[in-house]
Amino acid sequence: DGGITQSPKYLFRKEGQNVTLSCEQNLNHDAMYWYRQDPGQGLRLIYYSQIVNDFQKGDIAEGYSVSREKKESFPLTVTSAQKNPTAFYLCASKGYGYTFGSGTRLTVV
Amino acid sequence: RKEVEQDPGPFNVPEGATVAFNCTYSNSASQSFFWYRQDCRKEPKLLMSVYSSGNEDGRFTAQLNRASQYISLLIRDSKLSDSATYLCVVIAGGFKTIFGAGTRLFVKA
Repeated sequence: DGGITQSPKYLFRKEGQNVTLSCEQNLNHDAMYWYRQDPGQGLRLIYYSQIVNDFQKGDIAEGYSVSREKKESFPLTVTSAQKNPTAFYLCASKGYGYTFGSGTRLTVV
Repeated sequence: RKEVEQDPGPFNVPEGATVAFNCTYSNSASQSFFWYRQDCRKEPKLLMSVYSSGNEDGRFTAQLNRASQYISLLIRDSKLSDSATYLCVVIAGGFKTIFGAGTRLFVKA
């Protein structure tokens, strides 16, 4: 079945550490997105990519970086510059509507 | 004013009840509208699109009121399994997508 796979499901980050969240899709979608969700808030866009080798900042890109070397893959790195990274991170691709991965829950320890 | 606003709830209803949620949007140029369902600690999943003429899918009815700039979701004969958070999604011209913060629904036996 086609879908989006995010890993890991849970991730713990130490202060000053960079961590990378994986997102892979086999839906053949060109557009991919990273969202952050905090309790009681809507999804906020971190980065998006509409085509391979191109990506754009979203509303809250500071402290994050991405790459899009392959159509299927859109990893997100949470850098040490992101001061409040604890959140639920969702990767999505867009065909008709958005299809989301199952998310990565990141916690700072 | 937020671009997309939803009553956060929670809505507590008994099984079999009819419940309705509204979602208001501020951009009159918005073109596409969706309702997503998000279970606790899971990813959002597409519930239904919202068309100008209104659309129905089983117990669920979605409507769009462009004049007043809101969309609605009606759930008839509520089931325990309907308990979730319902997100409205508004897409303006081109790419910009705004997710509402969601309305929480609890259906009680």
